[in-house]
Amino acid sequence: AQSVTQPDIHITVSEGASLELRCNYSYGATPYLFWYVQSPGQGLQLLLKYFSGDTLVQGIKGFEAEFKRSQSSFNLRKPSVHWSDAAEYFCAVGGNSGGGADGLTFGKGTHLIIQP
Amino acid sequence: GAGVSQSPSNKVTEKGKDVELRCDPISGHTALYWYRQSLGQGLEFLIYFQGNSAPDKSGLPSDRFSAERTGGSVSTLTIQRTQQEDSAVYLCATSGGLRDTQYFGPGTRLTVL
Repeated sequence: AQSVTQPDIHITVSEGASLELRCNYSYGATPYLFWYVQSPGQGLQLLLKYFSGDTLVQGIKGFEAEFKRSQSSFNLRKPSVHWSDAAEYFCAVGGNSGGGADGLTFGKGTHLIIQP
Repeated sequence: GAGVSQSPSNKVTEKGKDVELRCDPISGHTALYWYRQSLGQGLEFLIYFQGNSAPDKSGLPSDRFSAERTGGSVSTLTIQRTQQEDSAVYLCATSGGLRDTQYFGPGTRLTVL
């Protein structure tokens, strides 16, 4: 069965500093990988996704993620965070249909706190 | 509409009552998913519809949960004889098809007293 691990439950970063959120996955074949963000009281918004091709993917709001097959990782990065980036971040993996009949499997989430 | 909509936004019910949660997909989206988000379990996949095909129900936590999709559009998730452990946010997502991005609705917060 597929699984996703986000090792950091909480991360605190100063505004303007760089950010890396870790994500490790377990999946038997080529995974389809996603990062979603959830602000308080809001639904999930897609930041970026990896299906195939270039292993460095660019997303919205200045985020990027790199797929590393050898490490089973898909870490999310941003060079300079803004206070508005404070939110819950979820990594997810989908099956070979991009989340078809099995839906997406989500990690437990990382809560990002931005210090002024 | 422009996005996925869900109703009601909040639902408080008494243990043992039945509840219905509704999801209106983005127009033209053929795939529809239900997820549950709770503090203890995180985000869990429940059920998936593709067009008018029979859904994959393997993720439903018990036989008290059922879902249907009318005419390949609006979906209803029904929970019978609600229990306190059913308290959670129920999220609906839709996509244009396989390998397409899933767009999530704002969710329905269910509280079972």
